[in-house]
Formats: sequence, structure tokens, C-alpha cells
Amino acid sequence: GAVVSQHPSWVICKSGTSVKIECRSLDFQATTMFWYRQFPKQSLMLMATSNEGSKATYEQGVEKDKFLINHASLTLSTLTVTSAHPEDSSFYICSARETRVDYGYTFGSGTRLTVV
Amino acid sequence: AQSVTQPDIHITVSEGASLELRCNYSYGATPYLFWYVQSPGQGLQLLLKYFSGDTLVQGIKGFEAEFKRSQSSFNLRKPSVHWSDAAEYFCAVVGWGSQGNLIFGKGTKLSVKP
Repeated sequence: GAVVSQHPSWVICKSGTSVKIECRSLDFQATTMFWYRQFPKQSLMLMATSNEGSKATYEQGVEKDKFLINHASLTLSTLTVTSAHPEDSSFYICSARETRVDYGYTFGSGTRLTVV
Repeated sequence: AQSVTQPDIHITVSEGASLELRCNYSYGATPYLFWYVQSPGQGLQLLLKYFSGDTLVQGIKGFEAEFKRSQSSFNLRKPSVHWSDAAEYFCAVVGWGSQGNLIFGKGTKLSVKP
């Protein structure tokens, strides 16, 4: 089945530094990639949607200059958290989808970001 | 706006007992519906999905769900729960918007008593 590889699984960084999270679709072309943020014991909150070769579309309230998303190829999307602060600590999950919705949505295993 | 409601925040069942997790959605047309399971610190694994056709959908790990248009529901069921089923369960629907993102319910945490 479809697999999305997300790295790193966890990262600890110092406040003010930047962190990059990668998501790769291993056996299919991810036309669209979704990035979510999940707080403890809560549901997934959509941060942004990216289509290959296009600028990402950010949800209301999400700072596009802080959360940089690049979807340069059909198999790779990255989320860079710039100038990270402790309040950015969270669980970030990507989800990839092919062109057809009925092919489903495949999720990465998530990245636990801790900013100290 | 579209929404997905999972009325039960936390459910505890005994191992071997049957399980039903509730999900209601708001949508005008035929929705695309999903159930995912999440173990602590992990991503989401697809249990099953419904797009059209037979309203009783079979999934992995012995789960099934039934789409009931009249009740706007897509409840998840399992006849006999195993301790390994303890996890968080999310119901989701594909959003109307051009992005086609999933809209999630708030999740139901399942605990299994030995």
C-alpha cells in the first residue's frame, strides 16, 4: 500500500533556530500534501495545503512566514519551522494524496517537535 | 461549514466485548468518509473508507462501518475488541473546498479492560 515517510520522528531544538521536517511518498505521486498540527489529546488541525510546484495555501491564523512549506516534487514536501519558539512545540503530521480523492489519504508517522 | 462530530470522547470496553464508535457528519451530497486509528506518538492509519456503493464497509483489523444517509452517520463497529485496539479513533470527511482536505472529528479514545 501507499507509504509516506516522515522525518525526523522527533527533534529538539533551541529557541530561535529553524527546523525542517520532510515527508516523502515512497510508492506514489503525491499531487497534494497536507500539513497538520496536533496538540496533546486533541484532533488534527490543518495548517496548510500544498500542490506540487505551487505555493502552499495556509489556513487562517497560520503564519506563512513561520511555517514554510515547499512541495518541489511529486514525492517530497517539506515544512520548515523558522525561528522556533516554545509555543511551536507540537506534533506535526503530513498527509499525501494522489490526484483522485478516492485513492485515499496517506499519513506520515508524525514529528514531535520540542523547542527549548 | 462542514463538520464531523464524535460524541464520545472516551470509551472503555472489556476485552472481547463489542464496540461501536459514533460519527455524525454534516454534508449536503454523498460524502467521502474515513475512519483512522492513531496510537500514541504515531501517525494515522486508515481503517476503512466509504465513497459509494455498499453502505456496509469492511476494513482492516476486523472493523466495519455503516453509512446511514438518513442519520448522517458513519459508525465504526467491531464484534470483539482486543487489548491492542486501545488507541485514538478519528472519523473524517473530505471537505467541500478546492483543497479537498480531510475534516476530522475530535476523536474518541478507546480503552480496553482486561
